[in-house]
Amino acid sequence: EAGVVQSPRYKIIEKKQPVAFWCNPISGHNTLYWYRQNLGQGPELLIRYENEEAVDDSQLPKDRFSAERLKGVDSTLKIQPAELGDSAVYLCASSSYYQGPSTDTQYFGPGTRLTVL
Amino acid sequence: SQQGEEDPQALSIQEGENATMNCSYKTSINNLQWYRQNSGRGLVHLILIRSNEREKHSGRLRVTLDTSKKSSSLLITASRAADTASYFCAPNSGGGADGLTFGKGTHLIIQP
Repeated sequence: EAGVVQSPRYKIIEKKQPVAFWCNPISGHNTLYWYRQNLGQGPELLIRYENEEAVDDSQLPKDRFSAERLKGVDSTLKIQPAELGDSAVYLCASSSYYQGPSTDTQYFGPGTRLTVL
Repeated sequence: SQQGEEDPQALSIQEGENATMNCSYKTSINNLQWYRQNSGRGLVHLILIRSNEREKHSGRLRVTLDTSKKSSSLLITASRAADTASYFCAPNSGGGADGLTFGKGTHLIIQP
């Protein structure tokens, strides 16, 4: 079974430029998460989707960040414009409500490392 | 979800020794999960222990949960170089598909 796929793996941009990250969750997983991980810290949740609906976006900085999950499968996270403080690793994870006893288990992708210059 | 606090923040041991790391949290939970993150990689789920469980094993991993003390421990026995990673706990007060809140983790280094 393929894992969570993210692209690109690395991205370097100048401040004020836009950037987008893409995530393809595990097939059949209805829940998708975006996390941001700063250096030396644990991941922090940005947004959670149940199918195509964003059910928790309370931590998403909505002035510059946006996300979508069309058709309840792939998802894109966008930053426009990027700031120096946005440099971090952006992780995507997915889980399935129907996967039995371990419905709370989240499966993470390798992340996209963003550097803003 | 609430944030767990891992202790110690860093741990260095010799290969073959056992490694123990702890997690404390503040309010009641439904379950607590442990994840591992190797350098430059995503998190990998290790084990989930529910609030009505006291101990759980998975291979060389042993997790305990003490809800009265609001704490959990992760024991890795017979450590290997490949165990070098950061370990995070995630106490989950919600359920189902709630987002998780992670602390800073324990950075474990296994010396050859």
